[in-house]
Amino acid sequence: DAKTTQPTSMDCAEGRAANLPCNHSTISGNEYVYWYRQIHSQGPQYIIHGLKNNETNEMASLIITEDRKSSTLILPHATLRDTAVYYCIVRVDSFGYGQNFVFGPGTRLSVLP
Amino acid sequence: NAGVTQTPKFRILKIGQSMTLQCTQDMNHNYMYWYRQDPGMGLKLIYYSVGAGITDKGEVPNGYNVSRSTTEDFPLRLELAAPSQTSVYFCASSYGTGGGIDEQYFGPGTRLTVT
Repeated sequence: DAKTTQPTSMDCAEGRAANLPCNHSTISGNEYVYWYRQIHSQGPQYIIHGLKNNETNEMASLIITEDRKSSTLILPHATLRDTAVYYCIVRVDSFGYGQNFVFGPGTRLSVLP
Repeated sequence: NAGVTQTPKFRILKIGQSMTLQCTQDMNHNYMYWYRQDPGMGLKLIYYSVGAGITDKGEVPNGYNVSRSTTEDFPLRLELAAPSQTSVYFCASSYGTGGGIDEQYFGPGTRLTVT
């Protein structure tokens, strides 16, 4: 699976959009981009995933560049409850294949009042 | 649905002791996983299972054993505990259908200290 690089930490003002970047320059054509977050000491929580098209759900938007070498997770109106560590993961998703997610150190997002 | 439940929440072990971390899911998921998370680090996969009776090693399996006799339960066994196994352990599950739609659901974690 491709490796990812993310900034160690970021700050965002409450109510503003939080844009979290992720580089995955060695991603291959059949690898998906996943985002999870971990609030304090809780178990990670799924946010969104995509292959090549931009995706949006009730939590966030995922923007993937045309060459797929980087992506950005957007939290449109960050709240204090969005303070967490955000993980960007790329992996193959094949039926019957072990779902081996590699969680790196992630980006620690602090939403400031 | 309770989702993924883990017991115990906290445990202190002495070096050389053994214990079993329990994990149960009520979502009828095929895939289950055990991760460990050391302070300030990301998660590392210990073992995973794609269905009852089938298990396989992840990135850091040494010192651990698993079994999967039912769809719901996936216990993690620590034999001869060592200080290096001090960590937070997370269990997770997913449908395992592939096709880019497979999100993992995590339990609340077990905080283990070996002294």
